[in-house]
Amino acid sequence: LAKTTQPISMDSYEGQEVNITCSHNNIATNDYITWYQQFPSQGPRFIIQGYKTKVTNEVASLFIPADRKSSTLSLPRVSLSDTAVYYCLVAGGNNRLAFGKGNQVVVIP
Amino acid sequence: DAGVIQSPRHEVTEMGQEVTLRCKPISGHNSLFWYRQTMMRGLELLIYFNNNVPIDDSGMPEDRFSAKMPNASFSTLKIQPSEPRDSAVYFCASVEGGASYEQYFGPGTRLTVT
Repeated sequence: LAKTTQPISMDSYEGQEVNITCSHNNIATNDYITWYQQFPSQGPRFIIQGYKTKVTNEVASLFIPADRKSSTLSLPRVSLSDTAVYYCLVAGGNNRLAFGKGNQVVVIP
Repeated sequence: DAGVIQSPRHEVTEMGQEVTLRCKPISGHNSLFWYRQTMMRGLELLIYFNNNVPIDDSGMPEDRFSAKMPNASFSTLKIQPSEPRDSAVYFCASVEGGASYEQYFGPGTRLTVT
């Protein structure tokens, strides 16, 4: 499984756009990049997945440069309820995911 | 659909006792995963099943841990004997199949071993 590196934590003010970065220098050709969100006392929840360039859904956007060695999850206009741990994962042709410790994002009023 | 169901939600037991955690995956999902989460180690994959067959159990800590999936709608994770270091939140997740990374997690079981 390709290893990912994320900041341990970050703060952001309510209403701002939050960009969460992830490094995955050893990503393989058939790996996809996946992001999950976990609120306190809940299981992780799938947010978005991509392979290259840009993917957008109703929750977030995922930006992946051409070399795919990093990715950025963008959350538009965060609210207090977006305070959570965000996990960046890369995975290949099976369903096995390595979550690690994630990035604690705290949204401040 | 009710989502992934786990029971019990909380379990407190004494060291040396047997603990059984239960999981009901989402109907139609053919892969099931057991994870353990602690502050120190984060979220770790213990074992996963595909079509009720264990595929990868390399994350199972030791022989005290065992997991079964007798049918497509039920799985158990057993710890015997339990130890204080097993205290953690245990999550079950299921996925529809194929190369899908959209896993659906249950609410977890918080285990405390005293």
